[in-house]
Amino acid sequence: LAKTTQPISMDSYEGQEVNITCSHNNIATNDYITWYQQFPSQGPRFIIQGYKTKVTNEVASLFIPADRKSSTLSLPRVSLSDTAVYYCLVVQGSTLTFGKGTMLLVSP
Amino acid sequence: DAGVIQSPRHEVTEMGQEVTLRCKPISGHNSLFWYRQTMMRGLELLIYFNNNVPIDDSGMPEDRFSAKMPNASFSTLKIQPSEPRDSAVYFCASSPTGLRGELFFGEGSRLTVL
Repeated sequence: LAKTTQPISMDSYEGQEVNITCSHNNIATNDYITWYQQFPSQGPRFIIQGYKTKVTNEVASLFIPADRKSSTLSLPRVSLSDTAVYYCLVVQGSTLTFGKGTMLLVSP
Repeated sequence: DAGVIQSPRHEVTEMGQEVTLRCKPISGHNSLFWYRQTMMRGLELLIYFNNNVPIDDSGMPEDRFSAKMPNASFSTLKIQPSEPRDSAVYFCASSPTGLRGELFFGEGSRLTVL
């Protein structure tokens, strides 16, 4: 099963680029990698999804190396409002199981 | 688009009482998921429906928990009888892509069992 491993927490300052890496050594051939953001008292919110190489949208970029055993979520020029928990999600068997997530704290 | 709608947003009940949580998925989404979130255990998948049919309920804690999806626009999660350890935030999510992983979550139902 594709268990995911992320740093428990990260600190950054406003305006900096933040990269959060997730390890998923046992990812299956057909699995997609999806990242979510969660604020307190809210449900997780979809950020970005990818299968290989690089994906970019208006919010973030997702980098996936050729072996797909890890992925990196890149948040350009973070602001205070980006303080949240970030989860990477990979299908595990027939279910979608979230890991512990990374608590990102952005300071002024 | 109204998004996934859950009710009630907050529920406080006493041990032994029946609790029913409700979810209206996004129209057109064919998959629905129920998750539970606590500080200790994080986000746990309870059950997954595809086209209104339960596909995987291995995450349902015990027989006290049951979930139904009578049609494409409504699902319920019932706990009977409730226990203090069931206190958590329960999220419903729907997806147009099934297990591919693009889930859209509701605001959650915060359950407190005294």
